[in-house]
Amino acid sequence: DGGITQSPKYLFRKEGQNVTLSCEQNLNHDAMYWYRQDPGQGLRLIYYSQIVNDFQKGDIAEGYSVSREKKESFPLTVTSAQKNPTAFYLCASIPYQAGGTEAFFGQGTRLTVV
Amino acid sequence: DQQVKQNSPSLSVQEGRISILNCDYTNSMFDYFLWYKKYPAEGPTFLISISSIKDKNEDGRFTVFLNKSAKHLSLHIVPSQPGDSAVYFCAARDGGSNYKLTFGKGTLLTVNP
Repeated sequence: DGGITQSPKYLFRKEGQNVTLSCEQNLNHDAMYWYRQDPGQGLRLIYYSQIVNDFQKGDIAEGYSVSREKKESFPLTVTSAQKNPTAFYLCASIPYQAGGTEAFFGQGTRLTVV
Repeated sequence: DQQVKQNSPSLSVQEGRISILNCDYTNSMFDYFLWYKKYPAEGPTFLISISSIKDKNEDGRFTVFLNKSAKHLSLHIVPSQPGDSAVYFCAARDGGSNYKLTFGKGTLLTVNP
């Protein structure tokens, strides 16, 4: 089945540790996005990428890093510099080359700092 | 600087009636607008979209209206059903910024039986 897979579904991190959230898609989509959801804040854009080896900062990129070495994969690293990392993280992709406009989302990763 | 605004955090309607969810935007470079539905602890699912060159798009019970001069769009759900109860997000694509996709804060719709 084609889709976007985020793993793990739940993740616990100790303060001061870096942690990487996985996002893989087998839809052959060009663009990929990372969002963060907090209560009352909606979805805020962290990073996005239109093509391999290229990505742009979103609205809240501080304390995060990404890579786009393969079209299918867009991992997000939450670094120790992110002051408030506890949130629900969502990955999305869009088939721009096919004229697509709608984003397809994964099921999310709940990150909790303990 | 919030470029996509959903000013109503919540909306409650009776089953069978119309639900109207509103969204305002500030960026003139937005070329596509989309509506998503989201349940807790799940990813959003796409509902309907509209190009900035159109003023209406309809898909079954869902209709989106775009008023470009007012920088306002709305989602109409008719008739509303209890299963429509969820958070609805308005999103906009920036055609001039590598297709950055920006979301509003969402509106919680509750449809009462």
